[in-house]
Formats: sequence, C-alpha cells, structure tokens
Amino acid sequence: GIQVEQSPPDLILQEGANSTLRCNFSDSVNNLQWFHQNPWGQLINLFYIPSGTKQNGRLSATTVATERYSLLYISSSQTTDSGVYFCAVDLDSGNTPLVFGKGTRLSVIA
Amino acid sequence: SAVISQKPSRDICQRGTSLTIQCQVDSQVTMMFWYRQQPGQSLTLIATANQGSEATYESGFVIDKFPISRPNLTFSTLTVSNMSPEDSSIYLCSAGGGWGGYGYTFGSGTRLTVV
Repeated sequence: GIQVEQSPPDLILQEGANSTLRCNFSDSVNNLQWFHQNPWGQLINLFYIPSGTKQNGRLSATTVATERYSLLYISSSQTTDSGVYFCAVDLDSGNTPLVFGKGTRLSVIA
Repeated sequence: SAVISQKPSRDICQRGTSLTIQCQVDSQVTMMFWYRQQPGQSLTLIATANQGSEATYESGFVIDKFPISRPNLTFSTLTVSNMSPEDSSIYLCSAGGGWGGYGYTFGSGTRLTVV
C-alpha cells in the first residue's frame, strides 16, 4: 500500500519562529490533506491540497504531486499552534480511507 | 463539506464491558471509516462501513471485537466489546472525499479509558 512519511517527527519552536513540515508519499494520490490535532484529540482540517499552493492566515501549504511531496508552512508561530500535524492521502476520493503519516509533534514555547 | 456529530466525547469504562460509539452525518455518504488512535500514535484504520453490506475490517481487527452497524447513509456505530485497558484510545469516524474540494471530515472523537 501507499506509504506516507512525515518529517521532522518532533519540533520545538520559540514563539514567533517559522517552520516547514514535510510530507512524502510513495504513489500518485487523488487527494492530500493536512490536519492539526489539538490537545483534546480533535482533528482540524487545515488544507485540502492535492496540488498547488494554498494559504490561510499564517499557514500555507504546497503540494508538488509530480514529485510526491507536500509542505506545510507555519509562520510567526504561536503557542496555540502546538499539537500534532498529520498529512493524509487517499487514492479514490470518498471510496477509500485516508492513509495517515505518523505526524509531526510541534511544541511552541513562549 | 459534511459535519459529523460523534458521541460520546469521552468515557471511562470497566474492563469486560462494551461501549457503542455513534456518528451522525448531516448529509448522505456512501462510505464511512472508523479509526483508532492509541496514545502517542497516528490513526489506524479499523474498518470501512458501506451502507447495506457488512463492514470491511483491516488486518488485526475483527468483527467480534469491533462490530459496526451502518443502517442508513447518514449514521454508523462502532462497538468496542469486552474491553481491556489496551483498548484505551481515541476512536474517530470519518466520511467524505466526494464534496468537490473539501476532502474528508472527521467526528470530534471519543476518548476511551478502560480501567
């Protein structure tokens, strides 16, 4: 099956710093999503981004489908950005489940 | 995109008992998916639930332990049976991918602790 690898596994940032999270996937995909899991366990959908670049406030994401990777950028990090960031892909939109990477655990310290 | 209401949000259960988790979607969906997230780990797929047929389970998960119902296109339940402390996890349901640009959506999760 498809493999999803995320890096780095852990990241500690000083408040205000910028960071880049990476997601590599082993095969062509129909969809790619970035999620943030908060300390209460809720998965928050950040981006649906099978290709191209999107921005939402301090967050932006880029997927280069031909090279099978995606990047999540966090600028001017805040303590509320802490949590686990997951990348997930699917092969057949709606008919097959998302396959998750192992996540990047981000800690932003004041 | 759809909104999924999941309940209970958390529970503490005695070993040997069962807990049923419910997910209600505000629109019709063909497939629903159930995941388990053990402490400090990523999400692992338990099964895929298609309305009108038996759920399809992933390796390591069996119907006797995790029976799933899918009575219609907006509702599904997952039961965790004969629980042990190893079942302590977050359980999440998911649906979607067919809403043209919104991707998959998830319920808010059920945090289960077995004592």
